[in-house]
Amino acid sequence: QVQVVESGGGLVKPGGSLRLSCVVSSFSFSDDYMTWIRQAPGKGLEWVAYISGNGRTIDYGDSVKGRFTISRDNAKKSLFLQMNSLRADDTGVYYCARVEYSPIYNMDVWGNGTTVTVSS
Amino acid sequence: DIQMTQSPSSLSASVGDRVTISCRASQTITLYVNWYQQKPGKAPKLLLYAASSLQSGVPSRISGSGSGTEFTLTISSLQPEDFATYYCQQTYSTPWTFGQGTKVEIK
Repeated sequence: QVQVVESGGGLVKPGGSLRLSCVVSSFSFSDDYMTWIRQAPGKGLEWVAYISGNGRTIDYGDSVKGRFTISRDNAKKSLFLQMNSLRADDTGVYYCARVEYSPIYNMDVWGNGTTVTVSS
Repeated sequence: DIQMTQSPSSLSASVGDRVTISCRASQTITLYVNWYQQKPGKAPKLLLYAASSLQSGVPSRISGSGSGTEFTLTISSLQPEDFATYYCQQTYSTPWTFGQGTKVEIK
């Protein structure tokens, strides 16, 4: 049974930092692209970033570029999102998901999410 | 950026109804569309990928069609477990973008 479990969310002041983690079990983590997707309270889904299996290909959504950094540790089957210069509009649930390519990129396994609240 | 526009934003339907949700892309994206279902407090679930391919375990009453800029998700006979919010997504180019969602409610 494939599992994805996020952690690291919490309450942080504007301008602060937070590091999210995601641990994956039961699939060949190092072969797979991984992604972070977020959802503001009562709003829709927004893609945040993705990273290739070997970590060499990375891309970000416009709203987080320059502030967030995605990374991974394949030995620990872990994905990370370092979030700096946090703003109120970064508040929401952050989901970690596996990116499958068959025959197009799609997110086929999701975690339950971790909640980030940016407020003074 | 490619904009994905869903219609309607919400709909009310009864069990057994046929339901159709549309998604329009701001430029051609061939078949690079996925559809997700999300229930309150839960993570999204992949239903369809590449416009019409059914994800493993998803019931066959759910189908997808379209190409280019116009896409459709159809539920042939709505079941109680189908009441949820549905999102289309393009992965033709980054930033990957989602439609605003369609909430399917009980009539």
